[in-house]
Amino acid sequence: QSALTQPASVSGSPGQSITISCTGTSSDVGGYNYVSWYQQHPGKAPKLMIYDVSNRPSGVSNRFSGSKSGNTASLTISGLQAEDEADYYCSSYTSSSTDVVFGGGTKLTVL
Amino acid sequence: QVQLVQSGAEVKKPGASVKVSCKASGYTFTSYGISWVRQAPGQGLEWMGWISAYNGNTNYAQKLQGRVTMTTDTSTSTAYMELRSLRSDDTAVYYCARVVVTAMGDYYYMDVWGKGTTVTVSS
Repeated sequence: QSALTQPASVSGSPGQSITISCTGTSSDVGGYNYVSWYQQHPGKAPKLMIYDVSNRPSGVSNRFSGSKSGNTASLTISGLQAEDEADYYCSSYTSSSTDVVFGGGTKLTVL
Repeated sequence: QVQLVQSGAEVKKPGASVKVSCKASGYTFTSYGISWVRQAPGQGLEWMGWISAYNGNTNYAQKLQGRVTMTTDTSTSTAYMELRSLRSDDTAVYYCARVVVTAMGDYYYMDVWGKGTTVTVSS
């Protein structure tokens, strides 16, 4: 069981927007602005999409945005494209002994 | 450009050890850390721990304490992850990732990932 809770799957049609949630506790998501999101295509390494809750690294499309409310962080992808179909993982710094926790991952299907 | 190049696939018997390397290039090695993350077949990402390349401080996931050791060689900008007493459920792809650290040297986030090393544990 992962420390952060994500929906197992979400789907949307091209051009639509979708949101993936990531729920933790006050010891991780709720307590720090150190939430990041990673995209992983099958057989590939993860790629950083969002850090610090809402910051995009250079080169990441502005169709990707992040936010947080209380113990839940969210990743929103607008103007869905076929290439966005992938697994998405949230991650947060945690005040527990381990420093880092991941969500279980969400499979995004573009219909 | 920033790159992390990992060592090749390994096949090990239960009870053996494996040591995976991760050679960094394109940045100042000691200004960042290195995390290790693994992914069992069909499963999600599991954080294993990280090491500061600046001072060698480590923090390991609780479930791996006592079986994992992370080290760095700053002369070659290479990080290593050794996992001992291998079991079948250690079969996974092992990734290294660059850790951006805070001004205080604490973990911040992972920004660049290696392509992964497949470790298979089988008798």
